[in-house]
Amino acid sequence: QITLKESGPTLVKPTQTLTLTCTFSGFSFSTSGVGVGWIRQPPGKALEWLALIYWDDDKRYSPSLKSRLTITKDTSKNQVVLTMTNMDPVDTATYYCAHRGDTYTYFDYWGQGTLVTVSS
Amino acid sequence: DIQMTQSPSTLSASVGDRVTITCRASQSINSWLAWYQQKPGKAPKLLIYDASSLESGVPSRFSGSGSGTEFTLTISSLQPDDFATYYCQQYNTYPWTFGQGTKVEIK
Repeated sequence: QITLKESGPTLVKPTQTLTLTCTFSGFSFSTSGVGVGWIRQPPGKALEWLALIYWDDDKRYSPSLKSRLTITKDTSKNQVVLTMTNMDPVDTATYYCAHRGDTYTYFDYWGQGTLVTVSS
Repeated sequence: DIQMTQSPSTLSASVGDRVTITCRASQSINSWLAWYQQKPGKAPKLLIYDASSLESGVPSRFSGSGSGTEFTLTISSLQPDDFATYYCQQYNTYPWTFGQGTKVEIK
């Protein structure tokens, strides 16, 4: 059974750096093709794809946020970390991590999400 | 970026109605499209992948069709549990992009 869970601060101040951790179980980065992505959703708004990391450490980013994002993985801990620099109130959102399988491309399992508020 | 445009933004329907949601891509995405259902305070749930393949465990009243730039999600007979917001997402080209969502409300 695949599960993912996001963790990190619920409140950050403007200009600070956000660090979120996705801890997962039921799959491994040892499997060729596996990926974990991050998606966010501002309150009452649509989903926005942020970044994706693959088993082979290939990384993809949203071009509009690429300069602010870094995605890394810790295979031994079954974790994926997303950092976002220079946080702004418009970055207030629920942040989700999601699983991309080894033989397909879409996200089939999602974490429950974590709400991050950016405010002074 | 590939823009995904859903219509309508909001849909009012009754239990038992047949409901169709459209998703248009700004350029061809072949059949690399997924549909998700999201309820308030919950994570999105995968319904359809590769434009027309039903995810395991999803009721057969949900179906998807289309290829290239135009896609549809159909609910053959709307059930009380189906009132939610639906999103399409393309995974043909990075960055993967989502539609703006279609909220299905009770009429």
